[in-house]
Amino acid sequence: GDSVTQMEGPVTLSEEAFLTINCTYTATGYPSLFWYVQYPGEGLQLLLKATKADDKGSNKGFEATYRKETTSFHLEKGSVQVSDSAVYFCALGLYYGGATNKLIFGTGTLLAVQP
Amino acid sequence: EAGVTQFPSHSVIEKGQTVTLRCDPISGHDNLYWYRRVMGKEIKFLLHFVKESKQDESGMPNNRFLAERTGGTYSTLKVQPAELEDSGVYFCASRLQGGSTDTQYFGPGTRLTVL
Repeated sequence: GDSVTQMEGPVTLSEEAFLTINCTYTATGYPSLFWYVQYPGEGLQLLLKATKADDKGSNKGFEATYRKETTSFHLEKGSVQVSDSAVYFCALGLYYGGATNKLIFGTGTLLAVQP
Repeated sequence: EAGVTQFPSHSVIEKGQTVTLRCDPISGHDNLYWYRRVMGKEIKFLLHFVKESKQDESGMPNNRFLAERTGGTYSTLKVQPAELEDSGVYFCASRLQGGSTDTQYFGPGTRLTVL
């Protein structure tokens, strides 16, 4: 069935370090891919998305490229800040009813950035 | 524009009791989704409404869970009777119907604790 696997955390980095959070997926068809972020005490926010192979999503210095050949959507940021500390969720969106509807999430990766 | 709101933010009940969670989607969003995250695991899809109709309820765990969206505006999710394993965070999301958007906007979640 459709699933998402992302690296387990916590990931602890120093400020200005390079970040990679791995995400791979299994899906029939061609799903859209998403990264959501949950900051402490808040709800889920869409961080970035990609809707087809080779698309690159980017936002707030974060990037992820939809790689169909490796079924991956790894999240990267060149220089993390303390304010990036949060839980990051990779998700794929299943298409039915004319749109992307059901989201399937990974387990989430806690990122802690130390000053 | 107000975001997705959920009420209550926290609920603590005893096993066997009934709890009703409420979600108010973004105004004008026909699509409404319920998800939950149990014990720090992945966020799992519960069901999807289009207006007042259930489009997909494949994720509802059992018949102790009842979701409604009378009038196609806000939605309620009732758990009756609650069991220990129902503890977790229940998220609601909404999405605009039509167009090319596939972004779901999430609420802050309701944290349910069953003792």
